[in-house]
Amino acid sequence: TQLLEQSPQFLSIQEGENLTVYCNSSSVFSSLQWYRQEPGEGPVLLVTVVTGGEVKKLKRLTFQFGDARKDSSLHITAAQPGDTGLYLCAGSKTSYDKVIFGPGTSLSVIP
Amino acid sequence: DAGVIQSPRHEVTEMGQEVTLRCKPISGHNSLFWYRQTMMRGLELLIYFNNNVPIDDSGMPEDRFSAKMPNASFSTLKIQPSEPRDSAVYFCASSLAGRHQPQHFGDGTRLSIL
Repeated sequence: TQLLEQSPQFLSIQEGENLTVYCNSSSVFSSLQWYRQEPGEGPVLLVTVVTGGEVKKLKRLTFQFGDARKDSSLHITAAQPGDTGLYLCAGSKTSYDKVIFGPGTSLSVIP
Repeated sequence: DAGVIQSPRHEVTEMGQEVTLRCKPISGHNSLFWYRQTMMRGLELLIYFNNNVPIDDSGMPEDRFSAKMPNASFSTLKIQPSEPRDSAVYFCASSLAGRHQPQHFGDGTRLSIL
């Protein structure tokens, strides 16, 4: 049983389109992290959200942590081919608990 | 700055052979993690160390898997004997201990057991 679910599993869009990917759980997490992984490389941290309702922006990427701290979303505005990759959410239930990764959303942005 | 360094990048070996994967964490980081990534199961935590001590090895699949961290700058993950179902990409990551610290991943070892 996956503690963290991500949707959609795969997403293919044209350059310039907007998109949102989701990370959901039935459990409360003390924090959620989003990572991006490119082929042949390890995941790279994009952002950490810790407060329910928190919104963080990283250029064209907007991250939101749900009020109940059970879900998170990542919105990308005007997607570019460089955004292509596997987007992983990861959460820890307590401040010092191990991090659990979701299965990821594989994004392909077509020029 | 040097990131997490893993070796080898690729390993192809026959089933039954011993496989040793190596990791050098970022200097100053005191937590180290070993993950396995496959298409079917995604990214799975195998074991993690804090200050060189194994804290949680509940993700280690079988007794064929073992991990050591003899000092703060080196860790190994060993599979003996290896089986085809062990084929995967194995990642090492390190972080500072404490709240919400990001994990820094190496580029992984792609392991193929024939």
